[in-house]
Amino acid sequence: DTEVTQTPKHLVMGMTNKKSLKCEQHMGHRAMYWYKQKAKKPPELMFVYSYEKLSINESVPSRFSPECPNSSLLNLHLHALQPEDSALYLCASSRLVGRSSGNTIYFGEGSWLTVV
Amino acid sequence: AQKVTQAQTEISVVEKEDVTLDCVYETRDTTYYLFWYKQPPSGELVFLIRRNSFDEQNEISGRYSWNFQKSTSSFNFTITASQVVDSAVYFCALSEGSGGGADGLTFGKGTHLIIQP
Repeated sequence: DTEVTQTPKHLVMGMTNKKSLKCEQHMGHRAMYWYKQKAKKPPELMFVYSYEKLSINESVPSRFSPECPNSSLLNLHLHALQPEDSALYLCASSRLVGRSSGNTIYFGEGSWLTVV
Repeated sequence: AQKVTQAQTEISVVEKEDVTLDCVYETRDTTYYLFWYKQPPSGELVFLIRRNSFDEQNEISGRYSWNFQKSTSSFNFTITASQVVDSAVYFCALSEGSGGGADGLTFGKGTHLIIQP
């Protein structure tokens, strides 16, 4: 079983709604990630948090707002999304020791988002 | 720039056959890391293996084996005696070593493996 937990597993929201995706890990990892995956495509990196600070934002539209309240939690706040934002959103975490880019990234089960 | 190529979009074999998934990568770094992940229909990306660029030893784990060859920039994955439960999308991924912090993975497009009973 994955040690990265995401909620909810499924979410349907309207274009005017505000919702949040939540992610939690208890592996002591200090790097956390959000990826977006469209059908039949590989995951695409959205955001990276290192030591609870946003370190990478891959030019993601402002309707996606990440938040890292503490070292175990990662949120993705959603507002005024478009139907093309419908996708699988994957949270992940990894250690930050040594050559951190070589540390294994562990993924959660994902949140399936549908924007109507 | 780094790049991962999985030329096989879909492979279909009959159960108990051996199958090899190809992965070719490009990077300018001398230190890098290669990964394989399995993604069943449920969506979770399951980590299978990590290999460092300075360790060319091949690895075997049960029915799974990996062949890393720096000379051809390839990191191929073989499943021996395939089973229906092996059906999934498999991603090869690369992370370069020059970054000072966490920088995520570059994924190939994935290979959809179908094991028929």
